Amino acid sequence: DTEVTQTPKHLVMGMTNKKSLKCEQHMGHRAMYWYKQKAKKPPELMFVYSYEKLSINESVPSRFSPECPNSSLLNLHLHALQPEDSALYLCASSQEDRGAFFGQGTRLTVV
Amino acid sequence: AQSVTQPDIHITVSEGASLELRCNYSYGATPYLFWYVQSPGQGLQLLLKYFSGDTLVQGIKGFEAEFKRSQSSFNLRKPSVHWSDAAEYFCAVGAPERGKLIFGQGTELSVKP
Repeated sequence: DTEVTQTPKHLVMGMTNKKSLKCEQHMGHRAMYWYKQKAKKPPELMFVYSYEKLSINESVPSRFSPECPNSSLLNLHLHALQPEDSALYLCASSQEDRGAFFGQGTRLTVV
Repeated sequence: AQSVTQPDIHITVSEGASLELRCNYSYGATPYLFWYVQSPGQGLQLLLKYFSGDTLVQGIKGFEAEFKRSQSSFNLRKPSVHWSDAAEYFCAVGAPERGKLIFGQGTELSVKP
């Protein structure tokens, strides 16, 4: 099983809302990631969690707040987003010598 | 600096024809290389990966790729394309953590009947 599950699939939120994206994997991977992908562009790394600790933050604005409650779950809390934050948000997990596996993404629209 | 270049933004091939998508990389050490496919509005699916060993790598869906260190290339090939192969293809190079990937700009593949 090489599945990473993301919820919700679609999300529309106002600029004053607070929402969360969720990601789950049961492959025993110890590294998990958030990527952001704009239309017609490659994914860009946002955050890396390794063994449930934040190891990389690619200078992401504080309106994005990641959380890793346990080794299987990864959340991305959203607050006071801007319309330009509208994108496909992808979660991934990886383990040595297996590569990274991506979820189907959450299509976020900020209005 | 680490980078990946996919020279072809868009390629159109006829169904049943062979396919080669180009990828060149710049990386300071032994690269970990990947090819992903993405259908519209979907996530990325791992087609194949190269970490070490045999330079010809077999993947899913009938794809293969060849690592050529002297040319800094990792081109993706398929002998006979199916209409369902139409999608965006991304080449990526990975850091030792494996999941920290640097992607190329992608190649959009169209398949004509």
